[in-house]
Amino acid sequence: EDQVTQSPEALRLQEGESSSLNCSYTVSGLRGLFWYRQDPGKGPEFLFTLYSAGEEKEKERLKATLTKKESFLHITAPKPEDSATYLCAVLGPNDYKLSFGAGTTVTVRA
Amino acid sequence: NAGVTQTPKFRILKIGQSMTLQCAQDMNHNYMYWYRQDPGMGLKLIYYSVGAGITDKGEVPNGYNVSRSTTEDFPLRLELAAPSQTSVYFCASSGQINGYTFGSGTRLTVV
Repeated sequence: EDQVTQSPEALRLQEGESSSLNCSYTVSGLRGLFWYRQDPGKGPEFLFTLYSAGEEKEKERLKATLTKKESFLHITAPKPEDSATYLCAVLGPNDYKLSFGAGTTVTVRA
Repeated sequence: NAGVTQTPKFRILKIGQSMTLQCAQDMNHNYMYWYRQDPGMGLKLIYYSVGAGITDKGEVPNGYNVSRSTTEDFPLRLELAAPSQTSVYFCASSGQINGYTFGSGTRLTVV
């Protein structure tokens, strides 16, 4: 069974203080690793898909990277509007069901 | 706006009551999913569908039922509601191997 572990559970940052979130996964035959952002009271919003080790994707202050065992979401010079829960999910080889981690809640103080 | 629409947004049920959570998408996606989200537990898959007339169980299907008579609609039925079903429910849809589009969720409380 696919397993996804995210750390830390919560992260408090000062505005401008860069940091990284970790997503460790166990899946035989990764077809894709997904990052989502979720704001309170809303559904998750798609950010990135990574398909193979070494791949990187960027969007504004966010950069996602992928190795064979984990993915990192780097937040560079965060702003208060980056405060959200960030979810990681993996897609295994034989189906179309994503398996999600529990998420990292990021709070950025001005 | 195109996307996934869930109704209702909030509901309080008494133990033993039944209800249907509605989900509709207008993106012509074949794949649809129901997840529940509990604090600190992440999203757990309840049921999913790969096309009209085809459904399958996820990780936590007990106490729920689904149907998929059209491509657009994927309702989730709760029979004999229990306090353990208090949660936030999300419906999602996808094309092939790409990101899901989620609805805004239904917050359900069973008392």
